[in-house]
Amino acid sequence: EVQLVESGGGLVQPGGSLRLSCAASGFTVSNNYMNWVRQAPGKGLEWVSIIYSGGRTYQADSVKGRFTISRDNSKNTLYLQMNSLRTEDTAVYYCARSSGYGTGLDVWGQGTTVTVFS
Amino acid sequence: QSVLTQPPSVSGAPGQRVTISCTGSSSNIGAGYDVHWYRQLPGTAPKLLIYGNNNRPSGVPDRFSGSKSGTSASLAISGLQAEDEANYYCQSYDDSLSGWHVVFGGGTKLTVL
Repeated sequence: EVQLVESGGGLVQPGGSLRLSCAASGFTVSNNYMNWVRQAPGKGLEWVSIIYSGGRTYQADSVKGRFTISRDNSKNTLYLQMNSLRTEDTAVYYCARSSGYGTGLDVWGQGTTVTVFS
Repeated sequence: QSVLTQPPSVSGAPGQRVTISCTGSSSNIGAGYDVHWYRQLPGTAPKLLIYGNNNRPSGVPDRFSGSKSGTSASLAISGLQAEDEANYYCQSYDDSLSGWHVVFGGGTKLTVL
């Protein structure tokens, strides 16, 4: 079964760090375009970052220089290292797969909650 | 403010047809980038509904259809059912001065009357 399972969310103070993990099963992370998408409480979806199969990465302007997307091919796992966290980073973070350009985000995890409180 | 603009809400009676618009610009939809649509029920992850402007993943009923023209796209839902009540999001790509990004619309809440 194709599945994504996120973990690593929690409570953190402003300026702190967290690392989110997204374990994949049923497919190979490194052969796909993997994304992080977040949703603040009561708000819409906001794209955070992408890592292509070739390794190139892009980030949203709101997280550039603070968040880093990466993957461990041996563990078939996607990561999001979040540094210098702000209260506005509070959200449910989803990892999502795109199996290629034009396919959309066709597999989503259940999400993990990050709360940045002061 | 989202790069792609959607109406905050739409509504329709059971059996009716509703459309949800998604308006972009020359740096995203108008540049030829594909548009995808997602449905999200409260407390759950989004689900892909339409990909590549007008294609349905396996399992999505043909009541759902997508179209794209110029700098806009639309999602149409015919034969409205109570279980269609959800939030709907469009998604595309944007290549502007600040770089390449995946972009979402702000979302549209569909209410079935």
